Amino acid sequence: ETGVTQSPTHLIKTRGQQVTLRCSSQSGHNTVSWYQQALGQGPQFIFQYYREEENGRGNFPPRFSGLQFPNYSSELNVNALELDDSALYLCASSPIRDRFIRMQYFGPGTRLTVL
Amino acid sequence: RKEVEQDPGPFNVPEGATVAFNCTYSNSASQSFFWYRQDCRKEPKLLMSVYSSGNEDGRFTAQLNRASQYISLLIRDSKLSDSATYLCVVWGQGAQKLVFGQGTRLTINP
Repeated sequence: ETGVTQSPTHLIKTRGQQVTLRCSSQSGHNTVSWYQQALGQGPQFIFQYYREEENGRGNFPPRFSGLQFPNYSSELNVNALELDDSALYLCASSPIRDRFIRMQYFGPGTRLTVL
Repeated sequence: RKEVEQDPGPFNVPEGATVAFNCTYSNSASQSFFWYRQDCRKEPKLLMSVYSSGNEDGRFTAQLNRASQYISLLIRDSKLSDSATYLCVVWGQGAQKLVFGQGTRLTINP
């Protein structure tokens, strides 16, 4: 196991609602990235947090937002949920931040279903 | 054009067979390359990094051709436990992110 934990494991919401997903990074890791994986697709990068600031963002609308806390844990918030937001949301932590950061260790994910 | 493209399969091969996956990437400035394995309804797990000189880990061999922007994974003497989706992954330039291919689904049959 990677030591990255996520909660909850499963979640069901309805369109228009808001959701908060949580991630605890592996001990010693100070960078957290979030990915969305739709069924049958590879994960897509949402954003990354380093030292409590957003450090890079993928092609996701502003209703996807996040936070990182002093203990390096992180939250992903999604407002105004849409049916297409149904996916597995993966959190990955990394030990350091530099241009060549490579190793990302994934948590088990949160499976979100929007009805 | 997708940044990372791979044949989604599915590949169905008998146990003991050799199977090869290919992947192409569009950003010539990409720095790092990986193969991840993902079991059904689980998180991706790093299988191996891919180096220009080629690298081997037991039954698994990965190759990188920077000139052709092509990555491959070879699995020899396949086992039932190799059944999974294999994701080709590139470290994208600019934003600190991994760029994943769609994944290739492999099923090893007894």
